[in-house]
Amino acid sequence: EAQVTQNPRYLITVTGKKLTVTCSQNMNHEYMSWYRQDPGLGLRQIYYSMNVEVTDKGDVPEGYKVSRKEKRNFPLILESPSPNQTSLYFCASSLRGRASREQYFGPGTRLTVT
Amino acid sequence: GESVGLHLPTLSVQEGDNSIINCAYSNSASDYFIWYKQESGKGPQFIIDIRSNMDKRQGQRVTVLLNKTVKHLSLQIAATQPGDSAVYFCAEYGGYNKLIFGAGTRLAVHP
Repeated sequence: EAQVTQNPRYLITVTGKKLTVTCSQNMNHEYMSWYRQDPGLGLRQIYYSMNVEVTDKGDVPEGYKVSRKEKRNFPLILESPSPNQTSLYFCASSLRGRASREQYFGPGTRLTVT
Repeated sequence: GESVGLHLPTLSVQEGDNSIINCAYSNSASDYFIWYKQESGKGPQFIIDIRSNMDKRQGQRVTVLLNKTVKHLSLQIAATQPGDSAVYFCAEYGGYNKLIFGAGTRLAVHP
């Protein structure tokens, strides 16, 4: 089944404790992206990647890192999480970014930073 | 599953009626627009897209209208069904591959 998977689905952590949220897709997509979703703000793009070793900032990259060492994986790293990073996070992929009609979204990761 | 408790504008419709969801976009240079549907506990799902060289595009039970003069998009859903209940987002490509979402509208379908 074609899908985007994220782990963990739920995470509660404390300020300053480094964490990684994994994202994997099995569709051989070139483009992958991370979003956060907050009440009243819709989804905001954090980072995106056009292909392996090619990443770029979205609208809200501060406090986040990403890497794209393999085509299928695009982990989101919070080196020193803060309470304002409490949010619902979505990973997405598409064949070739805007040239592709559809982005496929993962199920979401609920992160709480205390 | 996951959902976001959003204080969103809500459109309430009767089952079988047509629904119209509106969206204002921000960037007059945006040339590609997408509508997404997000059901409770799930990630957004592609519905339909439209490029700026078009005014209208139709899918199965859905139509998207684009008015570039006033930077306005609308999504029309014909014969709305209970399964259409969800939050709907418009999104625009601002910059080559940066996707910008609107805040969303909740559609509630009543029997």
